[in-house]
Amino acid sequence: EVQLVESGGGLVQPGGSLRLSCAASGFNFGSYWMAWVRQAPGKGLEWVGNIKQDGSEEHYVASVRGRFTISRDNAKNSLYLQMNSLSAEDTAVYYCVRRYCGGSTCDSGGDFEYWGQGTLVSVSS
Amino acid sequence: DIQMTQSPSAMSASVGDRVTITCRASQGINNHLAWFQQKPGKVPKRLIYSSSSLQSGVPSRFSGSRSGTEFTLTISSLQLEDFATYYCLQHDGYPITFGQGTRLEI
Repeated sequence: EVQLVESGGGLVQPGGSLRLSCAASGFNFGSYWMAWVRQAPGKGLEWVGNIKQDGSEEHYVASVRGRFTISRDNAKNSLYLQMNSLSAEDTAVYYCVRRYCGGSTCDSGGDFEYWGQGTLVSVSS
Repeated sequence: DIQMTQSPSAMSASVGDRVTITCRASQGINNHLAWFQQKPGKVPKRLIYSSSSLQSGVPSRFSGSRSGTEFTLTISSLQLEDFATYYCLQHDGYPITFGQGTRLEI
């Protein structure tokens, strides 16, 4: 059974940093693109960024580029999101997501097949 | 950036109704579109991928279709458990984008 378990969320002051982790199990972690998706309270879903299977390629939404960094440790079956210079606009539930891999999508990444339960990040003074 | 225009943003319907939700892409995205259902306080659930493939375990009353850059999610006969918010997602190009969501109410 695929499981994605996020941790590391909490309350942080504006300008602060936080590191989220996602522990993956039930599949060959190193074979999948992984992503982070967030949802601000009462708002829609927003893709934050993703990372290729071997960590050689990363992409980010413009609003976090330069502040957030996604990394992974395939030996530990873990995904990370380092968030710096946080502002109130970053307050959201952050989901760890496994991207679909089937046919040609394995190389470029498919849609969002499996989701973790999410971890809440609150940025407030 | 590829914009996904989802409509309607909200709608009311009754059990047994046929419902359609549409997402229009600002440019061609091939079949790189998925649909998700989200209930309050819950994790989004994948319904449809590759524009028309039904996720395993999802009832067959859900279906997806494509006409050019317009994608449609159809619920053939609404059940009580289908009242939720629905999102489309394009993953053809970066940034990956979701539609704004459709809140389906009783």
